[in-house]
Amino acid sequence: DGGITQSPKYLFRKEGQNVTLSCEQNLNHDAMYWYRQDPGQGLRLIYYSQIVNDFQKGDIAEGYSVSREKKESFPLTVTSAQKNPTAFYLCASSIGGIGQPQHFGDGTRLSIL
Amino acid sequence: RKEVEQDPGPFNVPEGATVAFNCTYSNSASQSFFWYRQDCRKEPKLLMSVYSSGNEDGRFTAQLNRASQYISLLIRDSKLSDSATYLCVVPPNSGNTPLVFGKGTRLSVIA
Repeated sequence: DGGITQSPKYLFRKEGQNVTLSCEQNLNHDAMYWYRQDPGQGLRLIYYSQIVNDFQKGDIAEGYSVSREKKESFPLTVTSAQKNPTAFYLCASSIGGIGQPQHFGDGTRLSIL
Repeated sequence: RKEVEQDPGPFNVPEGATVAFNCTYSNSASQSFFWYRQDCRKEPKLLMSVYSSGNEDGRFTAQLNRASQYISLLIRDSKLSDSATYLCVVPPNSGNTPLVFGKGTRLSVIA
């Protein structure tokens, strides 16, 4: 089955710790995205990538980092510089570019210990 | 004007009712729009695409009003299972950046 896989589903972070959220897609989509969603709020774009080895900051990139070494993979690292990381993190991808509709993974819930 | 605006609701409607949401956008050159549905604590899922001629899928109809720069989503014969948040997605105002998600309109269908 083609789709977007995010792991883990739940993640706990200690103060001062970096954590990495995984996102893998086997849809052969070109573009990939990371969003953050806080309770009762909308989606906020963290980073996006249109092609391998290239990515751009979204609206709230501070405290986060990404890489795009393979077309199918777009991991997100939440660094210790992100002081309020507790949120629902959603990865998405789209075929053909960033003007196309996005398809989402089922998300990772990150909490601070 | 904000790139996209939605009435957050909640819209509380009885089963069987017809309900409509609007979403305004600011980029007058926009060509394609999308509606997503997001259930509580789940990921958004693409519901419908909206092009110039509108779109209909069963009980759901999406329409585009270019003159007033809004898109609408109409749900007929509401079911309990339609309870969700509906997100409007529009092209950005500037250049080569991703589609913009509205904050969503929450619908509760009540028995």
